Amino acid sequence: DGGITQSPKYLFRKEGQNVTLSCEQNLNHDAMYWYRQDPGQGLRLIYYSQIVNDFQKGDIAEGYSVSREKKESFPLTVTSAQKNPTAFYLCASSIGPAGSISMGYTFGSGTRLTVV
Amino acid sequence: AQKITQTQPGMFVQEKEAVTLDCTYDTSDPSYGLFWYKQPSSGEMIFLIYQGSYDQQNATEGRYSLNFQKARKSANLVISASQLGDSAMYFCAMRVPTGANSKLTFGKGITLSVRP
Repeated sequence: DGGITQSPKYLFRKEGQNVTLSCEQNLNHDAMYWYRQDPGQGLRLIYYSQIVNDFQKGDIAEGYSVSREKKESFPLTVTSAQKNPTAFYLCASSIGPAGSISMGYTFGSGTRLTVV
Repeated sequence: AQKITQTQPGMFVQEKEAVTLDCTYDTSDPSYGLFWYKQPSSGEMIFLIYQGSYDQQNATEGRYSLNFQKARKSANLVISASQLGDSAMYFCAMRVPTGANSKLTFGKGITLSVRP
């Protein structure tokens, strides 16, 4: 079955360490997105990528980095520069050419990151 | 810029009753798409329903319907015959055709609790 796989589901990190969250999709989607969600809050866009080897900053990119070397993969690195990284991270993807307003997102099941 | 507003506090509904979750939006684009997603406590985001700005009829998907009032810029989700499994957070989202950067804008969400 096609879908988005995020791993790990739970992740613990010591302060000062970088950590990478995995996101893989087999939907042949062009666009991929990373969101951060804090308890009881909405989704805030961190980074997104419309094509391979290209990505753009979202609303809260500081302290994060991404790469898009393959269509299927869009890993997110939470760096030590991120002051408050404890949150729930969701990866999403979307099919179709740019401007397809009827195309929603398919989401992964999320990674819960805790800084200890 | 696009904006989605969900201002209801936590909502409660009795099992088997109907409930309306409010969503208002703001955009200057005449063409846009509106989405509702459900997020259970497990964290994954589940697509529920889509409404295009030029659709003549309100969207329906099983027990979900969208009360689309274009002049008021509102897109309220109606859940009929609530079930215990409907307890979750619900997000309204919008997408406009801004070319390569087209992406979903989410509201802050509404928490729904279904009482037995």
